[in-house]
Amino acid sequence: NAGVTQTPKFRILKIGQSMTLQCTQDMNHNYMYWYRQDPGMGLKLIYYSVGAGITDKGEVPNGYNVSRSTTEDFPLRLELAAPSQTSVYFCASSYGLRSDYGYTFGSGTRLTVV
Amino acid sequence: AQSVAQPEDQVNVAEGNPLTVKCTYSVSGNPYLFWYVQYPNRGLQFLLKYITGDNLVKGSYGFEAEFNKSQTSFHLKKPSALVSDSALYFCAVRDPLGNTPLVFGKGTRLSVIA
Repeated sequence: NAGVTQTPKFRILKIGQSMTLQCTQDMNHNYMYWYRQDPGMGLKLIYYSVGAGITDKGEVPNGYNVSRSTTEDFPLRLELAAPSQTSVYFCASSYGLRSDYGYTFGSGTRLTVV
Repeated sequence: AQSVAQPEDQVNVAEGNPLTVKCTYSVSGNPYLFWYVQYPNRGLQFLLKYITGDNLVKGSYGFEAEFNKSQTSFHLKKPSALVSDSALYFCAVRDPLGNTPLVFGKGTRLSVIA
């Protein structure tokens, strides 16, 4: 059972470039999330999805876009990379927003924008 | 809005000594509270949760946490620390009256010294 898989693990982008961070889960979870982790800042929610075709903004959505065409996949798109987007990105999933089901996290994507 | 505070960036403890990692929260109703642990270059892993019931919650790897409603706290504890407990610990909260994902604290780095 793979759980939540994120690719790539590492990436260096130049300012203005675009890229997609991939996230897929095999647990049939309805809910998926993207967080970014910055040193000393904890995790900030970027976007989340309550099911295929439904997404909503989190605390820090600017500069990012998401889509949810299937239950399994929740890619995060950076259109014009900026140095402020240098961070570690985590995808997570759960059965529901009710957190007593627990979140399962991927191993993260470390992104550097230069 | 819900929030959680972890007042210590770093906690150092000698192996075999008891450890405490502090967390306070702010929500409008009764909270759902969680602790997650992150080892280097890994995603977050669930440790324990408080939803309702006994104020003392036991979790993985010998950790426990005490919910204190009057002090709005949910401190993580372990009677005897191990070097392998060294990691980054996150407290998280969710207001069950709302319909929003978990909000995480900024994290506390625990260092257990042999």
